[in-house]
Amino acid sequence: QVQLQQSGAELMKPGASVKISCKATGYTFSSYWIEWVKQRPGHGLEWIGEILPGSGSTNYNEKFKGKATFTADTSSNTAYMQLSSLTSEDSAVYYCARRAGFAWFAYWGQGTLVTVSA
Amino acid sequence: DIVMTQSPSSLAMSVGQKVTMSCKSSQSLLNSSNQKNYLAWYQQKPGQSPKLLVYFASTRESGVPDRFIGSGSGTDFTLTISSVQAEDLADYFCQQHYSTPPWTFGGGTKLEIK
Repeated sequence: QVQLQQSGAELMKPGASVKISCKATGYTFSSYWIEWVKQRPGHGLEWIGEILPGSGSTNYNEKFKGKATFTADTSSNTAYMQLSSLTSEDSAVYYCARRAGFAWFAYWGQGTLVTVSA
Repeated sequence: DIVMTQSPSSLAMSVGQKVTMSCKSSQSLLNSSNQKNYLAWYQQKPGQSPKLLVYFASTRESGVPDRFIGSGSGTDFTLTISSVQAEDLADYFCQQHYSTPPWTFGGGTKLEIK
């Protein structure tokens, strides 16, 4: 069965960078878009962007260009999102998800909590 | 970008009651070539990841109870829970998956059980 396993919670200083991982099992990793979604209390769900691991193609939400960078390692079936120049506004739970069909998100990771604090 | 607006922001219902929540999009999500509406619904229980309930506005994901019913077309959509259960306590989000990115979500509806 499809599973997405994300890396653990991170406590970061302002100005630092963090790299979150999302390991996929149960399907052909290279063939499906991996999505990244941000959730802060009271802010709902925000789509950050997506990567197609087989080609490395990416699409970013304009709001997160320069903030988020996606990569994928097909040898380990793992997708990564790096967030740079962290501020308190980046404190959130970040989810990876896998597309199915026409861009609905059928499978979700468990989420990674990033806390930015001095 | 397509803006998704959900209402109400919260509601409280008793077990067994019918629940309806709305999702409106700033432009039509209807693909005229296949007559499908590109709208998904998700359920997020406290402390959990979102879970896909419905896609193409009315197609229930495998394993989702049939009390969850998606409907609507164009810019106006509804998620109905025909007889709400205690385990349906959750936040519900709509998402448009029409055409090209960015994919956007509504702000959510919080369902509380009296």
